[in-house]
Amino acid sequence: DSGVTQTPKHLITATGQRVTLRCSPRSGDLSVYWYQQSLDQGLQFLIQYYNGEERAKGNILERFSAQQFPDLHSELNLSSLELGDSALYFCASSVDFGLANYGYTFGSGTRLTVV
Amino acid sequence: GENVGLHLPTLSVQEGDNSIINCAYSNSASDYFIWYKQESGKGPQFIIDIRSNMDKRQGQRVTVLLNKTVKHLSLQIAATQPGDSAVYFCAETPNTGGFKTIFGAGTRLFVKA
Repeated sequence: DSGVTQTPKHLITATGQRVTLRCSPRSGDLSVYWYQQSLDQGLQFLIQYYNGEERAKGNILERFSAQQFPDLHSELNLSSLELGDSALYFCASSVDFGLANYGYTFGSGTRLTVV
Repeated sequence: GENVGLHLPTLSVQEGDNSIINCAYSNSASDYFIWYKQESGKGPQFIIDIRSNMDKRQGQRVTVLLNKTVKHLSLQIAATQPGDSAVYFCAETPNTGGFKTIFGAGTRLFVKA
């Protein structure tokens, strides 16, 4: 157990639908990062939150959004889902906003399948 | 542009042999490098890191080598075991911030018993 909790582990939904992925960071970590990992692809950075505020955006589609709540858990909302959105979605947390001195701690991911 | 990649997408080694996984990066401003291991069905797990002011760092059975001249990073695993079978990612972080960490595509390591 890495300390980063992601739910659900698996999600199957139809095209056009909307889903919410949840992440609880490791205790003490203020930064939450969301990554997408498609089949045979590397980790693509989507978005980062630090202590409730959006800090950085990567290649996140407009159909996707996220937020971090006062208790520091984060949710990634994916809407108008397309087949191509099928992927593993990872949440990672770290202590620092700046240079991640100790790297990220990743959750086990949510496998999203859009049918 | 900024790019982190791997020379070999798959690597097959015999149990007990040493493994070497390579990674090239293109951003000379990168200050911090990490190797992650991702087992099937799990998230990436931190293995070892190295800062740009070092050229070698050793852990338990793992060694990371950094050659800034040619922008090359490698992970050496000694006495490879079946439990080492996984996908290994290198990642680079520029000195401008952790959120700009870029991950390579990954190398799949198979360990033959």
